[in-house]
Amino acid sequence: GESVGLHLPTLSVQEGDNSIINCAYSNSASDYFIWYKQESGKGPQFIIDIRSNMDKRQGQRVTVLLNKTVKHLSLQIAATQPGDSAVYFCAEGGGTSYGKLTFGQGTILTVHP
Amino acid sequence: DVKVTQSSRYLVKRTGEKVFLECVQDMDHENMFWYRQDPGLGLRLIYFSYDVKMKEKGDIPEGYSVSREKKERFSLILESASTNQTSMYLCASSPPNRHNEQFFGPGTRLTVL
Repeated sequence: GESVGLHLPTLSVQEGDNSIINCAYSNSASDYFIWYKQESGKGPQFIIDIRSNMDKRQGQRVTVLLNKTVKHLSLQIAATQPGDSAVYFCAEGGGTSYGKLTFGQGTILTVHP
Repeated sequence: DVKVTQSSRYLVKRTGEKVFLECVQDMDHENMFWYRQDPGLGLRLIYFSYDVKMKEKGDIPEGYSVSREKKERFSLILESASTNQTSMYLCASSPPNRHNEQFFGPGTRLTVL
């Protein structure tokens, strides 16, 4: 079946560095790709999304890159802060309606002061 | 702010018991979702609903049922709890025009003994 997965399960960075979290997807029919952040003890929180007809989108301190040729998605966090420590999930929305998403396994980001 | 609440943070039940997990959202969202989250497996969709009294199976509906009698409330039912249903259960909702931005509750940690 279709799946969304991550290259690295854990990532450790120093405060102030830039972080890059990667994700591989397999469903070419997905209309959009999304990143969520889950802090300890909380539910996931939407960060940013990108439509399949785009290759880059920027938010506040975050940039998502989409490479459809190799089916790769990445989330870049600039000037990483301790508050960015969390599990990051990529997700994809297929051509279906009602917002059904398929989530990846997650990457643990740890930011050291 | 959107608020999604779940009836319990922690729940302990015995094998064979009928279990009800309740979720309420206060933003008049049409879409509501139930996921389970297990280490290394990410979030897996159990059921979702796009309107009152409507329900659709997700990726892992076996052993579960749902009820949506009111727009703001979406209940997950374990008809006869089993130990392999020990997990974190997350409820989410999304607005009709932003399907990929789901708002999650804090989760219910269910342990089945």
